Amino acid sequence: DSGVTQTPKHLITATGQRVTLRCSPRSGDLSVYWYQQSLDQGLQFLIHYYNGEERAKGNILERFSAQQFPDLHSELNLSSLELGDSALYFCASSGSGVGDEQFFGPGTRLTVL
Amino acid sequence: QKEVEQDPGPLSVPEGAIVSLNCTYSNSAFQYFMWYRQYSRKGPELLMYTYSSGNKEDGRFTAQVDKSSKYISLFIRDSQPSDSATYLCAIFDSWGKLQFGAGTQVVVTP
Repeated sequence: DSGVTQTPKHLITATGQRVTLRCSPRSGDLSVYWYQQSLDQGLQFLIHYYNGEERAKGNILERFSAQQFPDLHSELNLSSLELGDSALYFCASSGSGVGDEQFFGPGTRLTVL
Repeated sequence: QKEVEQDPGPLSVPEGAIVSLNCTYSNSAFQYFMWYRQYSRKGPELLMYTYSSGNKEDGRFTAQVDKSSKYISLFIRDSQPSDSATYLCAIFDSWGKLQFGAGTQVVVTP
């Protein structure tokens, strides 16, 4: 158990809908990262938050947004969902930032029908 | 071209054999190299983390970095069926983002 929790474990929804994925980092970790893992693209970095502030963006679509709250939990919002958004979404946390070991949560499996 | 290239396999080996995995990367400025293990439908877990060229050993696992060739390797000695998983190499790029290889699926047969 990495200490990172993610809810829900599974999510099934329809195209055009909006969903919210939630992540709680390990106790004491200030950084939260979101990744998307699909069969054709592999594990792709989406976005990094540090202590409530956005630090880096990767291949994140404009339909996707994230935030980190004062209690350090984070949410990833996916809107106008398309079939191609079906994937595993992982959250990871680390102590301070660049170069620190990242601990991954169990992931949320999103299926868009 | 991806920044980190990794053969997706699958790689099938008999129990007790040495598993050899490798990745190549494009940017010579990269300095932090990792290997993660991912079991089916689980989150990746860190196996090895190295900062420089050379070897790092941890139990049955050895990570090797050759910066001159931009090549990293992971060796698993005395492989067990429980080692069957996908192994992902990962490198921090110049902007502090973790770039992952495609992952190599390893199957260790009893």
